[in-house]
Amino acid sequence: DVKVTQSSRYLVKRTGEKVFLECVQDMDHENMFWYRQDPGLGLRLIYFSYDVKMKEKGDIPEGYSVSREKKERFSLILESASTNQTSMYLCASSPRLAGETQYFGPGTRLLVL
Amino acid sequence: GQNIDQPTEMTATEGAIVQINCTYQTSGFNGLFWYQQHAGEAPTFLSYNVLDGLEEKGRFSSFLSRSKGYSYLLLKELQMKDSASYLCAVRDGSNYQLIWGAGTKLIIKP
Repeated sequence: DVKVTQSSRYLVKRTGEKVFLECVQDMDHENMFWYRQDPGLGLRLIYFSYDVKMKEKGDIPEGYSVSREKKERFSLILESASTNQTSMYLCASSPRLAGETQYFGPGTRLLVL
Repeated sequence: GQNIDQPTEMTATEGAIVQINCTYQTSGFNGLFWYQQHAGEAPTFLSYNVLDGLEEKGRFSSFLSRSKGYSYLLLKELQMKDSASYLCAVRDGSNYQLIWGAGTKLIIKP
Protein backbone atom coordinates (compact mmCIF):
# COMPACT_ATOMS: atom_id res chain seq x y z
CA ASP A 1 0.00 0.00 0.00
CA VAL A 2 1.13 3.51 -0.81
CA LYS A 3 1.79 5.57 2.25
CA VAL A 4 1.98 9.33 2.29
CA THR A 5 2.63 10.91 5.66
CA GLN A 6 2.55 14.52 6.77
CA SER A 7 4.48 15.88 9.71
CA SER A 8 1.51 17.27 11.63
CA ARG A 9 -2.27 16.81 11.65
CA TYR A 10 -2.95 20.09 13.42
CA LEU A 11 -0.78 23.18 13.70
CA VAL A 12 -1.33 26.59 15.29
CA LYS A 13 1.03 29.42 14.36
CA ARG A 14 1.18 33.17 14.79
CA THR A 15 1.17 35.75 12.01
CA GLY A 16 4.69 36.31 10.68
CA GLU A 17 6.08 32.95 11.78
CA LYS A 18 7.91 30.73 9.34
CA VAL A 19 6.06 27.43 8.94
CA PHE A 20 7.39 24.13 7.61
CA LEU A 21 5.06 21.37 6.46
CA GLU A 22 6.72 18.13 5.54
CA CYS A 23 5.49 15.27 3.39
CA VAL A 24 7.07 11.85 2.92
CA GLN A 25 6.02 9.07 0.55
CA ASP A 26 7.32 5.52 0.54
CA MET A 27 6.48 4.36 -2.99
CA ASP A 28 9.31 5.91 -4.98
CA HIS A 29 6.89 8.21 -6.82
CA GLU A 30 8.36 10.82 -9.12
CA ASN A 31 5.58 13.40 -8.71
CA MET A 32 4.66 15.17 -5.53
CA PHE A 33 2.09 17.92 -4.96
CA TRP A 34 0.99 20.42 -2.35
CA TYR A 35 -2.65 21.57 -2.29
CA ARG A 36 -4.75 23.66 -0.02
CA GLN A 37 -8.42 22.97 0.49
CA ASP A 38 -10.93 25.54 1.70
CA PRO A 39 -14.71 25.16 2.19
CA GLY A 40 -16.65 25.58 -1.05
CA LEU A 41 -13.52 25.56 -3.19
CA GLY A 42 -11.87 22.69 -5.00
CA LEU A 43 -8.39 21.57 -4.22
CA ARG A 44 -6.02 24.30 -5.32
CA LEU A 45 -2.51 23.42 -6.38
CA ILE A 46 0.23 25.42 -4.68
CA TYR A 47 3.36 23.75 -6.06
CA PHE A 48 4.32 20.45 -7.56
CA SER A 49 7.53 18.60 -8.26
CA TYR A 50 8.20 15.98 -10.90
CA ASP A 51 11.72 15.12 -9.80
CA VAL A 52 14.30 15.78 -7.13
CA LYS A 53 15.26 19.46 -6.98
CA MET A 54 12.61 20.28 -9.58
CA LYS A 55 9.58 22.42 -8.76
CA GLU A 56 6.78 24.06 -10.69
CA LYS A 57 4.34 26.72 -9.54
CA GLY A 58 0.73 25.74 -9.35
CA ASP A 59 -2.29 28.03 -9.30
CA ILE A 60 -1.61 29.82 -6.00
CA PRO A 61 2.13 29.88 -5.21
CA GLU A 62 2.24 33.35 -3.66
CA GLY A 63 3.43 33.30 -0.07
CA TYR A 64 4.73 29.73 -0.33
CA SER A 65 7.94 28.00 -1.34
CA VAL A 66 8.91 24.35 -1.59
CA SER A 67 11.92 22.11 -1.32
CA ARG A 68 12.59 18.64 -2.73
CA GLU A 69 16.08 17.54 -1.83
CA LYS A 70 15.22 13.83 -1.74
CA LYS A 71 12.80 11.89 -3.89
CA GLU A 72 10.63 10.78 -0.99
CA ARG A 73 10.32 14.17 0.72
CA PHE A 74 8.55 17.36 -0.35
CA SER A 75 8.42 20.31 2.01
CA LEU A 76 6.10 23.32 1.91
CA ILE A 77 7.32 26.52 3.52
CA LEU A 78 5.24 29.51 4.52
CA GLU A 79 7.87 32.24 4.71
CA SER A 80 5.77 34.57 6.84
CA ALA A 81 2.44 33.08 7.83
CA SER A 82 -0.66 35.19 7.41
CA THR A 83 -4.23 34.62 8.60
CA ASN A 84 -5.43 34.01 5.03
CA GLN A 85 -3.18 30.95 4.94
CA THR A 86 -5.35 29.23 7.53
CA SER A 87 -6.46 26.15 5.65
CA MET A 88 -6.21 22.38 5.21
CA TYR A 89 -2.98 21.47 3.45
CA LEU A 90 -2.86 18.21 1.53
CA CYS A 91 0.21 16.53 0.10
CA ALA A 92 -0.07 13.97 -2.69
CA SER A 93 2.23 11.79 -4.74
CA SER A 94 1.88 9.86 -7.97
CA PRO A 95 3.96 7.81 -10.36
CA ARG A 96 4.90 9.46 -13.63
CA LEU A 97 2.49 7.31 -15.70
CA ALA A 98 -0.44 9.31 -17.07
CA GLY A 99 -3.24 7.08 -15.85
CA GLU A 100 -2.07 6.75 -12.29
CA THR A 101 -3.96 8.34 -9.48
CA GLN A 102 -2.60 10.70 -6.86
CA TYR A 103 -2.28 9.34 -3.33
CA PHE A 104 -2.94 11.76 -0.54
CA GLY A 105 -1.54 12.21 2.92
CA PRO A 106 -3.89 12.74 5.89
CA GLY A 107 -3.65 16.52 5.67
CA THR A 108 -2.46 19.27 8.01
CA ARG A 109 -5.02 21.66 9.38
CA LEU A 110 -3.17 24.94 9.90
CA LEU A 111 -4.55 27.80 11.95
CA VAL A 112 -2.71 31.12 11.76
CA LEU A 113 -3.63 33.55 14.55
CA GLY B 1 -10.74 28.70 -19.25
CA GLN B 2 -10.67 25.51 -17.22
CA ASN B 3 -13.84 24.66 -15.35
CA ILE B 4 -15.35 21.68 -13.58
CA ASP B 5 -18.91 21.78 -12.27
CA GLN B 6 -20.58 19.49 -9.76
CA PRO B 7 -23.66 19.97 -7.58
CA THR B 8 -22.76 21.32 -4.17
CA GLU B 9 -24.88 18.94 -2.14
CA MET B 10 -27.18 15.94 -2.64
CA THR B 11 -29.33 13.92 -0.28
CA ALA B 12 -30.30 10.27 -0.72
CA THR B 13 -31.82 7.45 1.30
CA GLU B 14 -30.01 4.41 2.63
CA GLY B 15 -30.39 1.49 0.21
CA ALA B 16 -31.21 3.73 -2.76
CA ILE B 17 -29.21 4.74 -5.85
CA VAL B 18 -27.70 8.17 -6.45
CA GLN B 19 -26.00 9.71 -9.48
CA ILE B 20 -23.51 12.54 -9.06
CA ASN B 21 -22.83 14.51 -12.22
CA CYS B 22 -19.69 16.31 -13.32
CA THR B 23 -19.28 18.51 -16.38
CA TYR B 24 -15.95 19.85 -17.49
CA GLN B 25 -14.46 22.34 -19.88
CA THR B 26 -10.72 21.99 -20.17
CA SER B 27 -8.13 22.84 -22.79
CA GLY B 28 -7.20 19.17 -23.13
CA PHE B 29 -8.28 15.82 -21.74
CA ASN B 30 -6.22 12.94 -20.49
CA GLY B 31 -8.49 11.19 -18.03
CA LEU B 32 -11.10 11.87 -15.37
CA PHE B 33 -10.88 10.77 -11.75
CA TRP B 34 -13.42 10.43 -8.96
CA TYR B 35 -12.35 10.60 -5.35
CA GLN B 36 -14.20 10.14 -2.07
CA GLN B 37 -13.42 12.37 0.88
CA HIS B 38 -14.87 11.85 4.34
CA ALA B 39 -15.05 14.91 6.58
CA GLY B 40 -11.65 15.81 7.99
CA GLU B 41 -9.86 13.15 5.97
CA ALA B 42 -7.84 13.01 2.77
CA PRO B 43 -9.38 12.16 -0.62
CA THR B 44 -9.17 8.52 -1.65
CA PHE B 45 -9.26 7.26 -5.23
CA LEU B 46 -12.49 5.71 -6.51
CA SER B 47 -12.30 5.50 -10.30
CA TYR B 48 -10.55 6.57 -13.47
CA ASN B 49 -12.07 6.97 -16.95
CA VAL B 50 -10.14 7.86 -20.06
CA LEU B 51 -12.37 6.24 -22.73
CA ASP B 52 -16.11 6.72 -23.22
CA GLY B 53 -18.35 4.33 -21.41
CA LEU B 54 -19.13 2.84 -18.06
CA GLU B 55 -16.60 1.46 -15.59
CA GLU B 56 -18.10 -0.67 -12.84
CA LYS B 57 -16.42 -1.39 -9.54
CA GLY B 58 -18.68 -3.08 -7.02
CA ARG B 59 -21.39 -0.71 -5.81
CA PHE B 60 -19.75 2.22 -7.61
CA SER B 61 -19.76 2.92 -11.34
CA SER B 62 -18.38 5.84 -13.32
CA PHE B 63 -19.42 6.96 -16.78
CA LEU B 64 -17.65 9.23 -19.25
CA SER B 65 -18.72 11.00 -22.44
CA ARG B 66 -15.79 12.95 -23.85
CA SER B 67 -17.83 14.55 -26.63
CA LYS B 68 -20.23 16.01 -24.05
CA GLY B 69 -17.59 16.85 -21.44
CA TYR B 70 -19.63 14.86 -18.95
CA SER B 71 -19.15 12.20 -16.33
CA TYR B 72 -21.23 10.72 -13.56
CA LEU B 73 -20.57 8.60 -10.51
CA LEU B 74 -23.31 6.10 -9.70
CA LEU B 75 -23.58 4.72 -6.18
CA LYS B 76 -25.90 1.76 -5.60
CA GLU B 77 -27.27 0.21 -2.41
CA LEU B 78 -26.30 3.28 -0.46
CA GLN B 79 -24.90 2.80 3.01
CA MET B 80 -24.54 5.36 5.79
CA LYS B 81 -20.76 5.19 5.39
CA ASP B 82 -21.15 6.59 1.87
CA SER B 83 -21.90 9.98 3.41
CA ALA B 84 -18.91 11.97 2.16
CA SER B 85 -17.84 14.49 -0.44
CA TYR B 86 -17.20 13.22 -3.95
CA LEU B 87 -14.60 15.06 -5.99
CA CYS B 88 -14.34 15.06 -9.76
CA ALA B 89 -10.90 15.84 -11.26
CA VAL B 90 -9.65 16.05 -14.84
CA ARG B 91 -6.12 15.65 -16.11
CA ASP B 92 -6.07 18.23 -18.85
CA GLY B 93 -3.20 17.17 -21.04
CA SER B 94 0.46 16.43 -21.06
CA ASN B 95 1.35 17.66 -17.60
CA TYR B 96 0.84 15.89 -14.32
CA GLN B 97 -1.68 18.25 -12.82
CA LEU B 98 -5.32 17.63 -12.05
CA ILE B 99 -8.06 20.24 -12.27
CA TRP B 100 -10.51 19.76 -9.41
CA GLY B 101 -14.19 20.36 -8.97
CA ALA B 102 -15.35 21.79 -5.66
CA GLY B 103 -16.89 18.47 -4.67
CA THR B 104 -20.41 17.21 -4.02
CA LYS B 105 -21.40 16.61 -0.41
CA LEU B 106 -23.59 13.51 -0.27
CA ILE B 107 -25.85 13.12 2.75
CA ILE B 108 -27.38 9.70 3.35
CA LYS B 109 -30.55 9.51 5.45
CA PRO B 110 -31.88 6.36 7.11
